[in-house]
Amino acid sequence: GDSVTQMEGPVTLSEEAFLTINCTYTATGYPSLFWYVQYPGEGLQLLLKATKADDKGSNKGFEATYRKETTSFHLEKGSVQVSDSAVYFCALSDRTNAGKSTFGDGTTLTVKP
Amino acid sequence: DAMVIQNPRYQVTQFGKPVTLSCSQTLNHNVMYWYQQKSSQAPKLLFHYYDKDFNNEADTPDNFQSRRPNTSFCFLDIRSPGLGDAAMYLCATSRGSTDTQYFGPGTRLTVL
Repeated sequence: GDSVTQMEGPVTLSEEAFLTINCTYTATGYPSLFWYVQYPGEGLQLLLKATKADDKGSNKGFEATYRKETTSFHLEKGSVQVSDSAVYFCALSDRTNAGKSTFGDGTTLTVKP
Repeated sequence: DAMVIQNPRYQVTQFGKPVTLSCSQTLNHNVMYWYQQKSSQAPKLLFHYYDKDFNNEADTPDNFQSRRPNTSFCFLDIRSPGLGDAAMYLCATSRGSTDTQYFGPGTRLTVL
């Protein structure tokens, strides 16, 4: 079945540091890939997405590129802020699996001033 | 603003006392989902509706039921809550089954 593996957390960075959160996936078809962010006490929000190989999703300084050859969708940001502190979930949605979404376990990011 | 609304945000119930959580959407999306999220874990899909078609996950306990009386509303019924059902319950919608999901703020359920 489909699965998503995320880099284990928690991750603690200083403000303006470079961020990478690794995500790899297995899927039977050609999934769409997503990064969601969850702030404390809130639901998940879409951060960015990519629907086909080599697509780059970007939003709020975050980027991730759909790499079919390495089945990866790593999240990066060049300079993190305290306000980026949250839990980040990598997810896929597979059309060949009735569109069911599969989420990674989440990575908690804490950015210190 | 179009959105996904969940009520209540916090719900306290007693062991074995039925409880209903509600979700509404103004996005006019076809698909509505219910997830259970326990602390520091990924959301776990319980079931979803594509329009009126109900899709139950194989490992969702029978204790959990759902209703979707119209496009805008979806309910999660827990018939006999146990202590292990204490969690955040997230409702989400999407236009199609592989599209971006839009999440509500969640309802945190406490079982005493």
